[in-house]
Amino acid sequence: VQLQQSGPGVVMPSQTLSLTCAISGDSVSSNSAAWNWIRQSPSRGLEWLGRTYYRSRWYNDYAVSLKSRITINPDTSKNQFTLHLNSVTPEDTAVYYCARYYGGKGFDPWGQGTLVTVSS
Amino acid sequence: QSVLTQPPSVSGAPGQSVTISCTGNGSNIGTIYDVHWYQQLPGTAPKLLIYGNSNRASGVPGRFYGSKSGTSASLAITGLQAEDEADYHCQSYDSRLSAWVFGGGTKLTVL
Repeated sequence: VQLQQSGPGVVMPSQTLSLTCAISGDSVSSNSAAWNWIRQSPSRGLEWLGRTYYRSRWYNDYAVSLKSRITINPDTSKNQFTLHLNSVTPEDTAVYYCARYYGGKGFDPWGQGTLVTVSS
Repeated sequence: QSVLTQPPSVSGAPGQSVTISCTGNGSNIGTIYDVHWYQQLPGTAPKLLIYGNSNRASGVPGRFYGSKSGTSASLAITGLQAEDEADYHCQSYDSRLSAWVFGGGTKLTVL
């Protein structure tokens, strides 16, 4: 299984951060996996942002602190999932990772990471 | 600060052993939820090292041991090698926050 991230490295304040994670070797519609976004910054360390997963229907869970600003959408036609974080501020500057959580065995694998800087 | 508490740094000489602690509470590690450990080499993404408290991920040398007791977990590394120099992160689930949570990470220096 491999995860390949894409998206811009710079986002202007108050705009929307959007990143995509393309999946190979597994399916976004898997009944055993959950597809996650995690970010890492020097001030906050690793921070789980949210997940999307399919169990007869689609579910989403988000970190409480971000619930009003975040959306994670699956795209079954392209076998990928996308993070949208709106109204960004410089505090959202971080390296963003996508990762699979499978069978209760931790996050594995991870995407390569995308440094997103919020700046005008 | 992070929900799970780790020491910021540990160090040891080649061949020695080190232990990294991960302390939580009754809504995360102290419950039924497992602890997982990740190794992060400089400039790379975290990589699964230990899952389900004590199971080594595929390809992980037998020098790495994970354990959990009460509201804490530990990662032990024996026979330290230079290539073990990295950041190590613990992770579990928090039922009060309804979220996956991480420790702040521990930087291992091989002297």
